[in-house]
Amino acid sequence: AQTVTQSQPEMSVQEAETVTLSCTYDTSESDYYLFWYKQPPSRQMILVIRQEAYKQQNATENRFSVNFQKAAKSFSLKISDSQLGDAAMYFCAYRSAWTGANSKLTFGKGITLSVRP
Amino acid sequence: DVKVTQSSRYLVKRTGEKVFLECVQDMDHENMFWYRQDPGLGLRLIYFSYDVKMKEKGDIPEGYSVSREKKERFSLILESASTNQTSMYLCASSLRESTEAFFGQGTRLTVV
Repeated sequence: AQTVTQSQPEMSVQEAETVTLSCTYDTSESDYYLFWYKQPPSRQMILVIRQEAYKQQNATENRFSVNFQKAAKSFSLKISDSQLGDAAMYFCAYRSAWTGANSKLTFGKGITLSVRP
Repeated sequence: DVKVTQSSRYLVKRTGEKVFLECVQDMDHENMFWYRQDPGLGLRLIYFSYDVKMKEKGDIPEGYSVSREKKERFSLILESASTNQTSMYLCASSLRESTEAFFGQGTRLTVV
């Protein structure tokens, strides 16, 4: 079974600074997807960024980028130029590339990010 | 925009009651999921369905059942609610071939 580990329960960053959130995972599969989701106080889960395991290039979405190390099974999220609106809980998630009964998302425990003005 | 709607945002039920949590999506998604979210535990999968009438147990199915009679609706049933089922419940859906899941706004259930 796949597992996703987020070992830091909380982090804090100064507005306009850069912060990196860590995630490791365990799987025996070679083809899969990794995600970072954001959950603000409104509770609405929002997809931040997605990485396909077969792609060596790290995904980037505006101020958000990932450092994907497949051999180390590491998937960290870097937030540049942090803004007050980035304050939220962030979840790392894994999904097999197989469909049907293997379509489930497996989440880590999440990390609460606070942004200091 | 994809919309995943959960029937209640807050719900208070008594111990022993049968509780229904409803989730409806409007984008013809094949996959639907029910997660439970607890502080320090993240999101844990209760059940998911990849087609009408098809269901798979997730990591914590005990005390729960599900129903998917129509493609757009996925119901989570607490057969006899207990206080340890007090939690936030999140529904999600996705296309079979898509990697992106869309979430509802969550139902905070309190069992007293």
